[in-house]
Amino acid sequence: AQSVTQLDSQVPVFEEAPVELRCNYSSSVSVYLFWYVQYPNQGLQLLLKYLSGSTLVKGINGFEAEFNKSQTSFHLRKPSVHISDTAEYFCAVRRANQAGTALIFGKGTTLSVSS
Amino acid sequence: GAVVSQHPSRVICKSGTSVKIECRSLDFQATTMFWYRQFPKQSLMLMATSNEGSKATYEQGVEKDKFLINHASLTLSTLTVTSAHPEDSSFYICSARDRGGRVSTQYFGPGTRLLVL
Repeated sequence: AQSVTQLDSQVPVFEEAPVELRCNYSSSVSVYLFWYVQYPNQGLQLLLKYLSGSTLVKGINGFEAEFNKSQTSFHLRKPSVHISDTAEYFCAVRRANQAGTALIFGKGTTLSVSS
Repeated sequence: GAVVSQHPSRVICKSGTSVKIECRSLDFQATTMFWYRQFPKQSLMLMATSNEGSKATYEQGVEKDKFLINHASLTLSTLTVTSAHPEDSSFYICSARDRGGRVSTQYFGPGTRLLVL
């Protein structure tokens, strides 16, 4: 089975500062990794995903993440955040090459950007 | 990109009544849909996997007789919360896998907020 641990439940930062949201996963098989963002009272929006290939993945809104197999991590980064980035961020994992399996989510990290 | 809709977006009902939530894939066919439940300030917990034309697969601890799932067509899955109680109040989110798309692609609906009084 797969599992995801988001190491920080809340991350407060100032506007234009860099941010890193940490995610570690556990799996005995190959996995796909995802980051989603959820704004208040809304559904999930995909930020980026790692399937294979380059370990540095670039997503929308200036976010990027790096897959590190040896450390089983997939941390999300942004060099300069905006107030509008305030939201809940979820890391998720899914078993690779099995289309019928659901995503397993971490508990989420609340990113609060203030001026 | 692909769009998944949910209806209603918000529903308030009395305890003991049943509520049906629809999940539709608007521009693609979805052989598999997933139903998640999210409590306030918590993560999404998978409730069940719905496959078109077959019975849903429920996660451990989810009562299949209470949360009825029907996936009658390639574009529609429904979740019925039967005899709802206040503890069923939650945010219900569905996702759908594009039958013709990449293996990794799942699209999420906007969610349905259920409040049981």
